[in-house]
Amino acid sequence: GIQVEQSPPDLILQEGANSTLRCNFSDSVNNLQWFHQNPWGQLINLFYIPSGTKQNGRLSATTVATERYSLLYISSSQTTDSGVYFCAVERSSNTGKLIFGQGTTLQVKP
Amino acid sequence: KAGVTQTPRYLIKTRGQQVTLSCSPISGHRSVSWYQQTPGQGLQFLFEYFSETQRNKGNFPGRFSGRQFSNSRSEMNVSTLELGDSALYLCASFKGDRARDEQYFGPGTRLTVT
Repeated sequence: GIQVEQSPPDLILQEGANSTLRCNFSDSVNNLQWFHQNPWGQLINLFYIPSGTKQNGRLSATTVATERYSLLYISSSQTTDSGVYFCAVERSSNTGKLIFGQGTTLQVKP
Repeated sequence: KAGVTQTPRYLIKTRGQQVTLSCSPISGHRSVSWYQQTPGQGLQFLFEYFSETQRNKGNFPGRFSGRQFSNSRSEMNVSTLELGDSALYLCASFKGDRARDEQYFGPGTRLTVT
């Protein structure tokens, strides 16, 4: 099956710093999503981005489908950005089956 | 627009018992997927339902089952609970009609098996 690898596994930043999280996947995908898991466990949607570039405030994401990777950029990080970031892909349309990476744990220090 | 809701939020059960978890999708969404999250295995797909039919299933034993009702609400059941079933169970909803298939997650049910 398709493999999803996220890097780095852990990241510690000072408030105000920028960061880039990477997601590599081993086969072509129909869907790619980025999530932030809050301390209570809920997955918060950040981006639905099977290809192209999107921006939402301090966050932006780029997926290069032909090269099988996606990047999540966090600029001017804040302590509230701390948590686990997941990349998830869906191999075919409407299977409902997202394959998740192992996540990047981000800690932003004040 | 209300989000995905899951009940109960927390549950403590004894080994050997069974449990039923509930998920109500976003209004208008016809598909519900279920996932299990554990520290060791991460997030793993359990199954997906569309219009009361299971369309896809993950690699879990038969003790894990589910169903979907005509109003798109879904339940999952775990029978003969084992200690290893302790996990966060998440459900997600999406339209499922070959349109944009972005999944939206509920807050989860945290199950502890003792």
